[in-house]
Amino acid sequence: QKEVEQNSGPLSVPEGAIASLNCTYSDRGSQSFFWYRQYSGKSPELIMFIYSNGDKEDGRFTAQLNKASQYVSLLIRDSQPSDSATYLCAVNILFNDMRFGAGTRLTVKP
Amino acid sequence: NAGVTQTPKFQVLKTGQSMTLQCAQDMNHNSMYWYRQDPGMGLRLIYYSASEGTTDKGEVPNGYNVSRLNKREFSLRLESAAPSQTSVYFCASSPGLAGGLEQFFGPGTRLTVL
Repeated sequence: QKEVEQNSGPLSVPEGAIASLNCTYSDRGSQSFFWYRQYSGKSPELIMFIYSNGDKEDGRFTAQLNKASQYVSLLIRDSQPSDSATYLCAVNILFNDMRFGAGTRLTVKP
Repeated sequence: NAGVTQTPKFQVLKTGQSMTLQCAQDMNHNSMYWYRQDPGMGLRLIYYSASEGTTDKGEVPNGYNVSRLNKREFSLRLESAAPSQTSVYFCASSPGLAGGLEQFFGPGTRLTVL
C-alpha cells in the first residue's frame, strides 16, 4: 500500500461547479497535510495546508481533514478553467520526510 | 527575491557519466530537499538537509549523493548516471528545521540519461 494515495483521474468538471479531490494516507502519526497545484511543465505550488481535524477555508478552496479515517480532501468551489492542473496531496510523515501522492489531474471545461 | 533557483534546466547524459545539479535559495530557509518526479509516481524524496552540514536519506537515495555547501546551497550529484535516473528533479526549501511547514519549489531540471 502506498503511503499517500489519490485518485489519478482525470477529473473533469464544468466551469462554476465544485471539484472534489480526495487523498488517503497510511501513517497514523502524520501531523501535517498539504495540497499543491502543478501546471503542466511547472513546479508545484502550495494551495493549502491543514494540521487539525475539520475544515479550513481559503477563498474558493476548502481543505478537510479526518485523522480517524486517515483522509484529507480539497474542494474547489466555482471552478475556473485556470484551475485545470494536477493536484498533489502531500503528507509529512516524520520530521522532514514528506510523501506525495501521484496527483489527480483536473480539467475544468468552459 | 529569486526564491529557489536550479541549474541546469535541461541535461542529457550518457550512461556512466556524472553530473551535479545545483540548487540555491535566497529565503534564509533552514531545510532543503531534492525530489524526483516520474510520470504516474508523484514526487519522491531523494535527500534532505535540515540545516547546514547535515543531510539525510529520503525515500529513493540510491545512486545519488548530496552536499549542503552552506545555508543557501544544496547540490545533488549523480556519480554514474543510469537510464533509470531519467526524470525531472526538483529542489525545494522550507523555513522549518524539523519539517511540517510549506515547501517552496524550484523550476526543476529535466534530465535524460541515454
